[in-house]
Amino acid sequence: GQNIDQPTEMTATEGAIVQINCTYQTSGFNGLFWYQQHAGEAPTFLSYNVLDGLEEKGRFSSFLSRSKGYSYLLLKELQMKDSASYLCAVRHFNKFYFGSGTKLNVKP
Amino acid sequence: DTEVTQTPKHLVMGMTNKKSLKCEQHMGHRAMYWYKQKAKKPPELMFVYSYEKLSINESVPSRFSPECPNSSLLNLHLHALQPEDSALYLCASSQAGTLGYTFGSGTRLTVV
Repeated sequence: GQNIDQPTEMTATEGAIVQINCTYQTSGFNGLFWYQQHAGEAPTFLSYNVLDGLEEKGRFSSFLSRSKGYSYLLLKELQMKDSASYLCAVRHFNKFYFGSGTKLNVKP
Repeated sequence: DTEVTQTPKHLVMGMTNKKSLKCEQHMGHRAMYWYKQKAKKPPELMFVYSYEKLSINESVPSRFSPECPNSSLLNLHLHALQPEDSALYLCASSQAGTLGYTFGSGTRLTVV
């Protein structure tokens, strides 16, 4: 079976930094992906890691440790528009297995 | 063109109706997907087409019937649905074996 865990909800303040963690146990691994999803909209791709380490992409960074089955998404200089759900997903060949998502609330 | 286009955006149908959801992409992606997403839940994979052939069916009930007429189009035919089938249906595409998906904006389906 596939098991991907994320915190259900987090709250942070505008301008701050927030880290969203994801742990996974899957039957295979071809990459870990982070998606942002606003309510009622489609997920949009943010970042992905195939190898261990940190990938930086503007205000967003993602980290992967394959040996620990662990990833995090780091959001810097939070803006109100960053209020959304953040989905961690593990790719195995043509399949993506999604975590339940972390709802991030950004406060003024 | 870097988008996946889904139509219609909203659909209300009765349990005896037959309807179709459509998905189109012109990025040359050879893998296309249907996902179902209930409120506050992650997307759940339904079907995968690879090079226009059905490669994965995640034990989806036969009242959902996918079709891939060509490499740019993906349809989902709906027949005799149940109210619990009401959800956001997402189409996605990807370059086979690489990177992530590009999702369409989804069709919000309500079965009455």
